[in-house]
Amino acid sequence: DIQMTQSPSSLSASVGDRVTITCRASQTIRSYLNWYQQQPGKAPKLLIYAASSLQSGVPSRFSGSGSGTDFTLTISSLQPEDFATYYCQQGYTTPQTFGQGTKLEI
Amino acid sequence: QVQLQESGPGLVKPSQTLSLTCTVSRGSISSGGYYWGWIRQHPGKGLECIGYIYNSGSTYYNPSLKSRLTISVDTSENQFSLRLKSVTAADTAVYYCVRLSDTAEFDPWGQGTLVTVSS
Repeated sequence: DIQMTQSPSSLSASVGDRVTITCRASQTIRSYLNWYQQQPGKAPKLLIYAASSLQSGVPSRFSGSGSGTDFTLTISSLQPEDFATYYCQQGYTTPQTFGQGTKLEI
Repeated sequence: QVQLQESGPGLVKPSQTLSLTCTVSRGSISSGGYYWGWIRQHPGKGLECIGYIYNSGSTYYNPSLKSRLTISVDTSENQFSLRLKSVTAADTAVYYCVRLSDTAEFDPWGQGTLVTVSS
């Protein structure tokens, strides 16, 4: 299975901050990388697909980049509703696997 | 916008079979172009892809669960189902039903249902 490693595992930030979360794959996954946001007690929500494409309805302060093995999710100006856990997921090969999550805290 | 809703028992005894159904609304499983599947999240942990099915019945099962797993589809009811046999406490998790696109993203997700394996 492809291992997905996120860093950091947790991150403290403030409203208005610019935040970057990194995801590294154990082998190349081309651009088959997706990002999700999970609020406590809720299902994950798709934010970014194909490494850099913004899902419909997702605010433009979210952006993704990368290809191959290294990817980033950037939130340009944190809003109160952005404090959540973020997961990356590779869709290059089965089984699709997720990173361990990055908890973004105030 | 397609919506998914899980249903099934919240408590299952060890060694028994966990059965869940996902009802799809505002869209049709039969329309094609997507897989329909299951993801689980152990308490306080990360996400694990269990498996998925196409409307034709073609399936993918995670090898770690394959020997215990059956995913089926009922296009007439616009539902798909999960059966996991011989469960143990390690199968306690929140189970989500999801739609998987051909570009390999999971969207949307059901709200999730907690299944506890305990006697």
